[in-house]
Order: sequence, then structure tokens, then C-alpha cells
Amino acid sequence: QVQLVQSGAEVKKPGASVQVSCKASGYTFTDFYMHWVRQAPGQGLEWMGWINPNNGGTNSAQKFRGWVTMTRDTSINTVYMDLSSLTSDDTAVYYCAKGGRYWFDFWGQGTLVTVSS
Amino acid sequence: QSALTQPSSASGSPGQSVTISCTGTSSDVGAYNYVSWYQQHPGKAPRLMIYDVNKRPSGVPDRFSGSRSGNTASLTVSGLQAEDEADYYCTSFAGSNKVVFGGGTELTVL
Repeated sequence: QVQLVQSGAEVKKPGASVQVSCKASGYTFTDFYMHWVRQAPGQGLEWMGWINPNNGGTNSAQKFRGWVTMTRDTSINTVYMDLSSLTSDDTAVYYCAKGGRYWFDFWGQGTLVTVSS
Repeated sequence: QSALTQPSSASGSPGQSVTISCTGTSSDVGAYNYVSWYQQHPGKAPRLMIYDVNKRPSGVPDRFSGSRSGNTASLTVSGLQAEDEADYYCTSFAGSNKVVFGGGTELTVL
């Protein structure tokens, strides 16, 4: 069965960077895009971008360009999302989600990133 | 402010039908057949309910249906059940490899 297992919760200080990982299993890793979506406490979902695990190509929402980096390691079926220059506004649950270019059919369990001084 | 507009709340009694709207523009909802809907229970990851406007993934009850008219997409839940109480989000492809979300609708089963 499909599984997306994300790394554990993080607490970071303002200005720091964070890396969240997402390990996939149960399907062919390179056949589907992997998206990143975040959700601030009590707020809605926000699309951040996707990575194509087949060729490493990425695309991110305008808001996150130059600020988010998405990479993958096909040897271990894992994608990574790095977010830099963190502020308190980046406190959120970060989800990876497998899918096509425009839809997400399976989601990871989420990773809480807390930014606090 | 979200790119797609949804009502903040909706409600219905068990067995009734409820429709949630998702209004975009001619550059997103109205331009592409790539509207999706997601259900999210508190503290849980979202679940795909509808994709490509009106297609249901395997395992999603046929009580859930999607449609679109112009720049507005809709999710209809028929035969409401207690477990349908959740937040619902729409998304749309918006060109240039961009995906936009609606602000979410809290569905209450009375």
C-alpha cells in the first residue's frame, strides 16, 4: 500500500532553515509528482510547489521562489523540502502529497514546523 | 486571501444533500478541467474526493459528486452522513504549472 512517511516535528528560531523529508513506498516513485502543501494553525491549505522525482524538475508558487528548495534521492525514494529564512509566519504543518501535476491523491502524515525565538 | 472563493461554512441534516461552491476566474476554474476537492477531518491529512472536475477516485462513495458551470465549481454531498462532517477544500490548475486552493468550507452535519 502507498505510504508517505515524513520526518518529525521541528522547532526553529527565526532566520534559520528547516528541512522536511518524505519517504515514499508502495508505488513507483518516479511515476508521480510530489507536492508540498502547508497549513498554518487554524488556517487553510497553501500549495507550495512540486518536484518531478523522475528528472528532479521543480516548480514552486511565486511566493516561495528563491526561498524553498525541493530535491529528491531516487536511491531511497525520498523527497526533501528546504525552507530558509524562517519567520513566525512559517509555523505550520507541512505535508508532502503524491499525485499528478494538478492533483494530490495521497498525503503524508504532516510535519509540524514551529518557528519561535 | 485565497485565490478561489468558498463559503466558510455549510450545513445539512443527515440524509439531505448539500452543495459547496468554489468560485474562481476564467484563468483557473473556468479555463481548465483540473478542479479537485479534498476532505480534511480535524488533525488529519486531507483526502482526495474529486479530481478533474467530476471524477471520483477508487474508494470514494458515489454520494460525492463534482460539477462546474463557468468559473464556479461545486461539490455535492448527497445522503449526508455524520462522518461527512469535515473541512472541504477545492483546488484548480491556474496555468504556468500553478495550483491554487480555495479557503475551505466547514461542513456541519446537524
